[in-house]
Amino acid sequence: GDSVTQTEGQVALSEEDFLTIHCNYSASGYPTLFWYVQYPGEGPQLLFRASRDKEKGSSRGFEATYDKGTTSFHLRKASVQESDSAVYYCALSPDSNYQLIWGSGTKLIIKP
Amino acid sequence: DPKIIQKPKYLVAVTGSEKILICEQYLGHNAMYWYRQSAKKPLEFMFSYSYQKLMDNQTASSRFQPQSSKKNHLDLQITALKPDDSATYFCASSQDSGQGSSGNTLYFGEGSRLIVV
Repeated sequence: GDSVTQTEGQVALSEEDFLTIHCNYSASGYPTLFWYVQYPGEGPQLLFRASRDKEKGSSRGFEATYDKGTTSFHLRKASVQESDSAVYYCALSPDSNYQLIWGSGTKLIIKP
Repeated sequence: DPKIIQKPKYLVAVTGSEKILICEQYLGHNAMYWYRQSAKKPLEFMFSYSYQKLMDNQTASSRFQPQSSKKNHLDLQITALKPDDSATYFCASSQDSGQGSSGNTLYFGEGSRLIVV
């Protein structure tokens, strides 16, 4: 079945470091891909989505490019800040009428 | 102001008891959902409703029963509580039931944290 894999359970960085959180998916056709962010004490909220090969999604300095060839949608940010501390979820929808399939989440910790 | 209100925010319950988690959304959305988040499963879809009708149920146990008295309400009744039910339960909503369609963003409430002792 369709699935999303986030390999890092936790990433610890210092402020101004470059961030990469890996997301690989398994699905047929062209699923829509999402990144959600969950801040402490809150529910997840949409960061951005992409629905076509090579489409780049971006928001708040974060970006990810839909890559059908490598079935990936890696999240990147050039310079992280303490306020970026959160859990990041990659998700996909195999069909516009389908519910989301979620990755296991990656906790981003910004070291003082 | 939060647009999706969940009550209570925190709840401690005794094993075997029954509790109801309340959810109201003021976004004018037609679809509502329940998700569960625990240490074992980071984010787990439970139910989806559209126009007050059950669309999808991914919860194996009948102890979990959603209840929709109004279009913008979707409560979750949990009976015969077990310690394994301890989790944060998130209510969510979207304009329509197609979570994957563009322009149909999923919005989450702040969650109800349930601890079963």
